[in-house]
Amino acid sequence: DVKVTQSSRYLVKRTGEKVFLECVQDMDHENMFWYRQDPGLGLRLIYFSYDVKMKEKGDIPEGYSVSREKKERFSLILESASTNQTSMYLCASRGGRDSTDTQYFGPGTRLTVL
Amino acid sequence: TQLLEQSPQFLSIQEGENLTVYCNSSSVFSSLQWYRQEPGEGPVLLVTVVTGGEVKKLKRLTFQFGDARKDSSLHITAAQPGDTGLYLCAVGSGGSNYKLTFGKGTLLTVNP
Repeated sequence: DVKVTQSSRYLVKRTGEKVFLECVQDMDHENMFWYRQDPGLGLRLIYFSYDVKMKEKGDIPEGYSVSREKKERFSLILESASTNQTSMYLCASRGGRDSTDTQYFGPGTRLTVL
Repeated sequence: TQLLEQSPQFLSIQEGENLTVYCNSSSVFSSLQWYRQEPGEGPVLLVTVVTGGEVKKLKRLTFQFGDARKDSSLHITAAQPGDTGLYLCAVGSGGSNYKLTFGKGTLLTVNP
């Protein structure tokens, strides 16, 4: 079974802190994604990566950065957390480039910024 | 303008009832996916439909892609509490259809 794991299920941080959210997949997938999910807004794409050291902005990249130093690991970084970044963060991976390929999601990290 | 409109937004039914949820757009898509997200978990792919008019069945779930490939429906027969979750439709977007764009979902609660 494909497994996508996220470093924390719940995280509480303070405004201004630097926050790292880690995601690891075990299926040698080239493509990895970070989304945030908010009530009434659905899933929105923050950043994605189609190869090691490659990254592309999604629909809402402001306030975030990412790092992909190894194929299996994709990190989301909040340089200076703000309260409006309180959300559920979901990581996903996919083997093929086409959107019809199965995208596998991690269980999510619920981040609260106080 | 929202790419995908899902309806209803919320649905609460009793075990054993049938239901249908919808995913609509004014755009034509080459394919469409349905995901289910259970409470506290990430979404899991249920089905991908690629041909206009296509019908796919997954046990008690029936998925249909509209003839014009602008809409899709998900019908559940004899719903069970285990069907409770958020049902999301998603379509490819961006260059080469690389990215997935999700609807806001239908939150289904099946009461025992």
